[in-house]
Amino acid sequence: GQNIDQPTEMTATEGAIVQINCTYQTSGFNGLFWYQQHAGEAPTFLSYNVLDGLEEKGRFSSFLSRSKGYSYLLLKELQMKDSASYLCAVRSSSNDYKLSFGAGTTVTVRA
Amino acid sequence: DSGVTQTPKHLITATGQRVTLRCSPRSGDLSVYWYQQSLDQGLQFLIQYYNGEERAKGNILERFSAQQFPDLHSELNLSSLELGDSALYFCASGEAPLAFFGQGTRLTVV
Repeated sequence: GQNIDQPTEMTATEGAIVQINCTYQTSGFNGLFWYQQHAGEAPTFLSYNVLDGLEEKGRFSSFLSRSKGYSYLLLKELQMKDSASYLCAVRSSSNDYKLSFGAGTTVTVRA
Repeated sequence: DSGVTQTPKHLITATGQRVTLRCSPRSGDLSVYWYQQSLDQGLQFLIQYYNGEERAKGNILERFSAQQFPDLHSELNLSSLELGDSALYFCASGEAPLAFFGQGTRLTVV
């Protein structure tokens, strides 16, 4: 089975940095994804890691350690619009592209 | 705009009824994925089609079925609806390693 864990909620101040951790135990590994989802809206793709290390994309960075089954999403220079749910997802199989999602971390940015 | 189109946006129906949700993938994408998101559960993978053929299956109930047509649009059919089927249903398309999600259909079963 697939087990993907991330914290339920985090709160941070505008302009600050927040790190959202994700640990996973899956039957296989072919990539880890981070999505942002505002309430009632579609998830939007943020980042993808398949090799160990840090991927940086503007204010967002994502890190992966395959040996530890661990990833984090780093949000810098937080803005109010960053208040959303952040979903960690793992692609297990190399034969298909279905994703197994964590329950999501709700980030609240306060002024 | 992800390029993935889902209709309808909202659907309210009674228990026991049957509904059809429609998805048009991004231009050029052969794969379509269906996900269910309810309040008490995260995004749950239901089923994937690739160029008209079923490619992968998740925890999809027997009351649910899907198909992908020659023009690559897909339909998710939900029958004998129960209150617990109320959820957001998302369609996604894209080739490895990315998936782009449509805006979803919010199904309310009353």
